[in-house]
Amino acid sequence: NAGVTQTPKFQVLKTGQSMTLQCAQDMNHEYMSWYRQDPGMGLRLIHYSVGAGITDQGEVPNGYNVSRSTTEDFPLRLLSAAPSQTSVYFCASRSPGSNQPQHFGDGTRLSIL
Amino acid sequence: KQEVTQIPAALSVPEGENLVLNCSFTDSAIYNLQWFRQDPGKGLTSLLLIQSSQREQTSGRLNASLDKSSGRSTLYIAASQPGDSATYLCAVMPDSNYQLIWGAGTKLIIKP
Repeated sequence: NAGVTQTPKFQVLKTGQSMTLQCAQDMNHEYMSWYRQDPGMGLRLIHYSVGAGITDQGEVPNGYNVSRSTTEDFPLRLLSAAPSQTSVYFCASRSPGSNQPQHFGDGTRLSIL
Repeated sequence: KQEVTQIPAALSVPEGENLVLNCSFTDSAIYNLQWFRQDPGKGLTSLLLIQSSQREQTSGRLNASLDKSSGRSTLYIAASQPGDSATYLCAVMPDSNYQLIWGAGTKLIIKP
């Protein structure tokens, strides 16, 4: 089972460049989300989606865009990369219900120079 | 605003010991609480999920408890092994549509 797949695994960008982090899940999960993880801090929610065509902002949405055109895919776009966006990015998915755990991808390690 | 705290930030114990990891949260109105494991350079693996109406969950050598009135959860690891070395993260889901709010984690080292 593939689960949640994130690409690329590593990326180095220059300040001002744009890019898209890809996330795909094959479990038919309605809910998908993006988190960033920084040293010494817990994960922080960037954006999330409760179904195709529906997205909402999390705790730290500035500088990022998302869209959800299909159930399977939830790409995260960095509009104009800044050094403060250097982080590890995780995509997650789950089904509705209080007994449904989140499933995570292996992460994308992003460095902005 | 819900906040999640994990103490200690790091813990080192000899192999074979039983140990407890702590998680506290500020708002008792939660949907569920989850414990995850993260190995270096890897993603997160769900260990245990406790729904709001439950008091504990068990999986193998792991037992997680939930006390909403005091805003606390504990993860008990029995007979620790070197393979248990990892960072353990606690996360709270405030409601059914939102996502998780995370503690900073406890880095656990089990010495052979």
